Amino acid sequence: DFVMTQSPDSLAVSLGERATIHCKSSQSVLYSSTNENYLAWYQQKPGQPPKLLIYWASTRESGVPDRFSGSGSGTDFTLTISSLQAEDVAVYYCQQYYSTPYTFGQGTKLEIK
Amino acid sequence: EVQLVESGGGLVKPGGSLRLSCAASEFTLSNAWMSWVRQAPGKGLEWVGRIKTKTNGGTTDYAAPVKGRFTISRDDSKNTLYLEMNSLKTEDTAVYYCTAQNPPNGYSFDCWGQGTLVTVSS
Repeated sequence: DFVMTQSPDSLAVSLGERATIHCKSSQSVLYSSTNENYLAWYQQKPGQPPKLLIYWASTRESGVPDRFSGSGSGTDFTLTISSLQAEDVAVYYCQQYYSTPYTFGQGTKLEIK
Repeated sequence: EVQLVESGGGLVKPGGSLRLSCAASEFTLSNAWMSWVRQAPGKGLEWVGRIKTKTNGGTTDYAAPVKGRFTISRDDSKNTLYLEMNSLKTEDTAVYYCTAQNPPNGYSFDCWGQGTLVTVSS
């Protein structure tokens, strides 16, 4: 099974500053025939279901603000929020959907400093 | 607006059974792979299982902790997804979400229901 490890577990960033979350997969999620990374990022606010932010490691879902960006390939990935807004307080999860069992990272709790 | 609405959660004793439903609106269920994801209280996300479209064989896959106890099915004519849960254990206590995996988004989980709480306790 793919093990997804996020760092850090929690993060406090000042409003307007950059937030960076890392995700490492135990195996490559790069599908060679399509040259796509089967890696997604989700945001979950308290009391709400998760929301897809990024898929294929770097493609923003429709309607997601452009301050959110994803990067990386193979086994190492990053979610960056370029200028933190109050509404970005949430838990963020990475996930591989390369193969079943689909697996999520443990989550990173993002707070305002 | 695309909506997935889960129902059927509740309190059940260990060893009992429960069937969850997920009704889709403004969305054609038959075009999407569908997964169930659960979240134990205060914990992270755990994938439970997936069913492919009938076009892709309608096959199912399950996470190891639920394999042999849980069954996912779909009724595309009713635009509804199901999760049959048997031999429930206390560790199955969680909010259960149904999610859609659509081809344009690379089969990432692009639509989620609000979730239904399953509590397994004596």
